[in-house]
Amino acid sequence: GAVVSQHPSWVICKSGTSVKIECRSLDFQATTMFWYRQFPKQSLMLMATSNEGSKATYEQGVEKDKFLINHASLTLSTLTVTSAHPEDSSFYICSARPLGLETQYFGPGTRLLVL
Amino acid sequence: QQQVKQSPQSLIVQKGGISIINCAYENTAFDYFPWYQQFPGKGPALLIAIRPDVSEKKEGRFTISFNKSAKQFSLHIMDSQPGDSATYFCAASAPGGYQKVTFGTGTKLQVIP
Repeated sequence: GAVVSQHPSWVICKSGTSVKIECRSLDFQATTMFWYRQFPKQSLMLMATSNEGSKATYEQGVEKDKFLINHASLTLSTLTVTSAHPEDSSFYICSARPLGLETQYFGPGTRLLVL
Repeated sequence: QQQVKQSPQSLIVQKGGISIINCAYENTAFDYFPWYQQFPGKGPALLIAIRPDVSEKKEGRFTISFNKSAKQFSLHIMDSQPGDSATYFCAASAPGGYQKVTFGTGTKLQVIP
């Protein structure tokens, strides 16, 4: 149980284009999902908290117009990197917290490379 | 006050040995302390978690020791195996709000045969 999927696992795009990453909780409902970014050999950096049916809460320093988050249902959240640039290349990981529980379950991550 | 300090940054242990990773926190509002294991190119996976009302929790070869007064907790991996080679993150969260998790800086463990 408690499986979170991400799609795609790998994406390469040209500078200036937008990329959408999906995060799904497969066997549980999650009112809250989280989006992280991880640079090589570093810890996870929380970008934003996504809540079903409401606007996402962004961490300080994260551009909300660049990283658009939509939490359309209790099992799906999407992150869209708009007008991607090479510096946006990173490993993006989502997590989901089951209703009533504290534990976050993580997806397998999406590696984004912007050329 | 939101920091979770983790040490060591890297650790090399002989197969069959005990791996010990330490974490310390400042925020006394933290009440949930999970440990995550991450393999290269993968998302973190929950390993074991503890609450401050318990001083120790064991699951298989993995044990968390918790010292509330010192605001420290540690992960012990008994009989370490090469398959345990991964990066380990301690974490902490406080009740209320969205219960965001604050992560430690990570420990890269290498278990050598």
